[in-house]
Amino acid sequence: DTGVSQNPRHKITKRGQNVTFRCDPISEHNRLYWYRQTLGQGPEFLTYFQNEAQLEKSRLLSDRFSAERPKGSFSTLEIQRTEQGDSAMYLCASSPRLAGVQETQYFGPGTRLLVL
Amino acid sequence: RKEVEQDPGPFNVPEGATVAFNCTYSNSASQSFFWYRQDCRKEPKLLMSVYSSGNEDGRFTAQLNRASQYISLLIRDSKLSDSATYLCVVNRGNAGNMLTFGGGTRLMVKP
Repeated sequence: DTGVSQNPRHKITKRGQNVTFRCDPISEHNRLYWYRQTLGQGPEFLTYFQNEAQLEKSRLLSDRFSAERPKGSFSTLEIQRTEQGDSAMYLCASSPRLAGVQETQYFGPGTRLLVL
Repeated sequence: RKEVEQDPGPFNVPEGATVAFNCTYSNSASQSFFWYRQDCRKEPKLLMSVYSSGNEDGRFTAQLNRASQYISLLIRDSKLSDSATYLCVVNRGNAGNMLTFGGGTRLMVKP
């Protein structure tokens, strides 16, 4: 399967614990995005990488959240001191950078986080 | 006001019906427009891009009105398998191409 993959698919944790999610984009896609989706809402943008550079962060991304893409391939999203309000589906998407062409983002299956 | 607004539905239609969804967006800098489909507890999947001249893909027709900042999706001859949430999506018009999603419109096609 050459699509976007995410691990783990599900995570249950207790309030105050740290969690880390991984995203493997489609190979050769140099753009990688993290979104968060809560029940009944559309996904909301969190952060974006072009290669290894994190170029934009949403104000939704509090200082408890950190994302990395150290070698420009896979990415990790860490949430420190989780809160119940962090419970959501965390979606990763990747796209190629195609100048002058409408770029399509391809989504992974998501990591569903439940904070108890 | 949300940046992308959609009627959440649900739209309950019989098989074979034609159904139309609309959405409005507020960011006049948006350059790319899409409809994504999302099944329950799954990731969004691209249904179709939306172009200024309007475009069709089988039973699906998308229209864009930049002046009114309005996007539509028409589904003809609905199938049971069309039951899903349809997300109206626009990009932010900046270099990063981040996407802004509507809340989605839920469609239920009944036998």
